[in-house]
Amino acid sequence: GAVVSQHPSRVICKSGTSVKIECRSLDFQATTMFWYRQFPKQSLMLMATSNEGSKATYEQGVEKDKFLINHASLTLSTLTVTSAHPEDSSFYICSAKTSGGDNSPLHFGNGTRLTVT
Amino acid sequence: AQSVAQPEDQVNVAEGNPLTVKCTYSVSGNPYLFWYVQYPNRGLQFLLKYITGDNLVKGSYGFEAEFNKSQTSFHLKKPSALVSDSALYFCAVRDMGGETGFQKLVFGTGTRLLVSP
Repeated sequence: GAVVSQHPSRVICKSGTSVKIECRSLDFQATTMFWYRQFPKQSLMLMATSNEGSKATYEQGVEKDKFLINHASLTLSTLTVTSAHPEDSSFYICSAKTSGGDNSPLHFGNGTRLTVT
Repeated sequence: AQSVAQPEDQVNVAEGNPLTVKCTYSVSGNPYLFWYVQYPNRGLQFLLKYITGDNLVKGSYGFEAEFNKSQTSFHLKKPSALVSDSALYFCAVRDMGGETGFQKLVFGTGTRLLVSP
């Protein structure tokens, strides 16, 4: 089945530094990937949609300059949290869609737990 | 905008008993509904979806869901719960709005299922 690999699974960084999270589709090409953020005991919040070869589409309220998304190839999308602050600490999850039609399910990575100290 | 509601934060059931996790939806037009499961510190795994056709949808790991148009519900069910079913369950609906178009999924707040031995 379709596998999405997300790396790292956990990262701790100091306030003011930047962190890059990678999302790879291992056995399929993903023209579109999605980045979610999940707060404790809350649902997933879609942050942005990453399209290969074009600029990402951000959801309302998500800072584009803070959460940089790059989708340089059909199998890799990256999310960079710039100048991280403690309030950016969260669980970030990427997902990708196979080419099985509009209603084919999303395949999720295992998430990245970011802790900013 | 499309939305789903999961009225229960947690559902407790004894192993071997049937389980139900509730979900109601609010959509304009035809609903496209999904169930996902999340294990601790992991991404989401697809369980099943309803697009059209039979109201009873069968999915992974013995789960099924019943689409009820009159009650605008899409409850997740399993005839006999296992301890290993303990996890966080999300109902989701496809949202046609926004630049992401058909790809956007709107998730409920999640229901934690706890199956006791």
